[in-house]
Amino acid sequence: QAGLTQPPSVSKDLRQTATLTCTGNSNNVGNQGAAWLQQHPGHPPKVLSYRDNNRPSGISERFSASRSGNTASLTITGLQPEDEADYYCSAWDNSVIAWVFGGGTKLTVL
Amino acid sequence: EVQLVESGGGLVQPGGSLGLSCAASGFSLSTSWMHWVRQGPGKGLDYVAGISGDGTWTAFADSVKGRFTISRDNAKNTLFLHLNSLRAEDTAVYYCTRETWDHWGQGILVTVSS
Repeated sequence: QAGLTQPPSVSKDLRQTATLTCTGNSNNVGNQGAAWLQQHPGHPPKVLSYRDNNRPSGISERFSASRSGNTASLTITGLQPEDEADYYCSAWDNSVIAWVFGGGTKLTVL
Repeated sequence: EVQLVESGGGLVQPGGSLGLSCAASGFSLSTSWMHWVRQGPGKGLDYVAGISGDGTWTAFADSVKGRFTISRDNAKNTLFLHLNSLRAEDTAVYYCTRETWDHWGQGILVTVSS
């Protein structure tokens, strides 16, 4: 099943800015936008944004999502140690008639 | 407070069947699409299936189509996933989650092994 493409890992220094990417196509990211989820080891995922930049209440403004064409991005500013986690993107895909996920990006905060 | 609690996991032999339940509280299931998402050992998130609020629409990943069924009992506020013809690669923690991914259960482990 077609999925979304994310870089496997990103490393950034404390207090710096990280931008994570998620590439799909016109049937998914390009059409419906993407959601972003954060997952710490041993815990369920937590949604950071839904359908591009709809941020749920309680999510820090340091997390912002955007989209350009078929690529969605999650920007995390002022990196903190607790931001070290796995990040997943997800989108509805009109061609497979199901949601699809990216393979996830492991963010390391140095 | 919204809560989702999965149950029904366990060890099953290849080719076997298993039923999972997800009991919801703090909101009405009938108002939301509900989904099952799984995560294999050391792997990423993998969409399994979803069902609309009134149960008329469903969605399945290709990998489970024809083997898994999803249903809901809005009166009992419970979501179900029935897993048939199980394979080793179905081994995973199965999560139930709500439409906008805003609430997740703690997950339930399904192990397919002889």
